[in-house]
Amino acid sequence: EIVLTQSPGTLSLSPGEGGNVSCRASQRVSSGYVAWYQQKPGQAPRLLIHGASNRAMGIPDRFSGSESGTDFTLTISRLEPEDYAMYYCQQYGNLPTTFGRGTKLDVK
Amino acid sequence: QVRLQESGPGQVRPSETLSLTCTVSGGPINSGGYHWAWIRQHPVKGLEYIGYIDDSGDTYYRPSLTSRLSISRDTSQKQIFLRLTAVTAADTAVYYCARESIYGTEYWGQGTRVIVSS
Repeated sequence: EIVLTQSPGTLSLSPGEGGNVSCRASQRVSSGYVAWYQQKPGQAPRLLIHGASNRAMGIPDRFSGSESGTDFTLTISRLEPEDYAMYYCQQYGNLPTTFGRGTKLDVK
Repeated sequence: QVRLQESGPGQVRPSETLSLTCTVSGGPINSGGYHWAWIRQHPVKGLEYIGYIDDSGDTYYRPSLTSRLSISRDTSQKQIFLRLTAVTAADTAVYYCARESIYGTEYWGQGTRVIVSS
């Protein structure tokens, strides 16, 4: 199965700042099917990005995704208070679907 | 709006069978090209994909769970079922049902916590 290595484990940023979360796949992901999710305590994950770079419906444009080979990046710009949460990458191009271990975005 | 709701026992004894139900509202489960998936989240290991049943009724199971796992459905009741036999403490997790497509996993239930303990 494809292993997704997500970094950093924790990202500390101040409101208004921007930052990147990285996700490296152990092999090519078919069709670039990588998604990013936000999860807050006690809630289910929420889809942010699909197909590596496509924002899901209703997601603000301060969230963006990019792809370079087997490296995928979630960029969050102009941090809002509600953005502090866990972030996970997922590949769904190859079975079994796999997830990264997560990045905690907390207040600097 | 599609909604998913998991239900099941909060606790199961080791070696017994875990049975969960996912009730779907807002659309059929036998059309649309979707996969109806079960995903679990371990306290330490993180998110783990269990398997799915698609709109045709075909299933996929995570290889490590194949011998213990069954996913089925009742299209008239719009329900998806998970059955996991011979559970151990390693099966303790929050279990989610979700709808996935080529656009990612767009819809998730709120999750149901399952503890395996005697």
